[in-house]
Amino acid sequence: AQTVTQSQPEMSVQEAETVTLSCTYDTSESNYYLFWYKQPPSRQMILVIRQEAYKQQNATENRFSVNFQKAAKSFSLKISDSQLGDTAMYFCAFTQVFQGAQKLVFGQGTRLTINP
Amino acid sequence: NAGVTQTPKFQVLKTGQSMTLQCAQDMNHNSMYWYRQDPGMGLRLIYYSASEGTTDKGEVPNGYNVSRLNKREFSLRLESAAPSQTSVYFCASSERRYGELFFGEGSRLTVL
Repeated sequence: AQTVTQSQPEMSVQEAETVTLSCTYDTSESNYYLFWYKQPPSRQMILVIRQEAYKQQNATENRFSVNFQKAAKSFSLKISDSQLGDTAMYFCAFTQVFQGAQKLVFGQGTRLTINP
Repeated sequence: NAGVTQTPKFQVLKTGQSMTLQCAQDMNHNSMYWYRQDPGMGLRLIYYSASEGTTDKGEVPNGYNVSRLNKREFSLRLESAAPSQTSVYFCASSERRYGELFFGEGSRLTVL
């Protein structure tokens, strides 16, 4: 079974600092997608960044970037110049390749607090 | 642009009561999903529908039933609610293979 593990239940940094959230996953598949979702207090699930396993280049979206280590099955999220609005739960998720719908498997989440 | 709409947003039930969570998407997506979110456990898949007319069990289907009413709508039913079903429920939809899921705002259900 595919699993996703986020080993940091909570993290806290000062505004403008850089923070890295860790995620490891377990799969026997060779082709898959990885995601980071953000869930602010509003409860809405918001896609932060996506990584395709067959692409060696790490994905970036403005202040958000990933460090994708396929052999180590590691997918960390780096937030640069953190802002108060980045305060949220962050979920790492993995989707397996199969016909039809994609079933995302989520990690337990990391609660990130950005302090002024 | 509504995206994925869930109703109701909040519900309190007594043990043994039944209820249906409604979900509709206006993005013409083929696939729809129901997840539940519990503290410390992330989101877990209850049921999904790869396309209109099909439904399949996810990780935690016991105590739930679903109906894919048409391409837009996917409902989740609790026939006899139990306190263990107290949770936040999310509906989601997707289209492009390997693409992202689009989530509704969630429904908080409390079973007393």
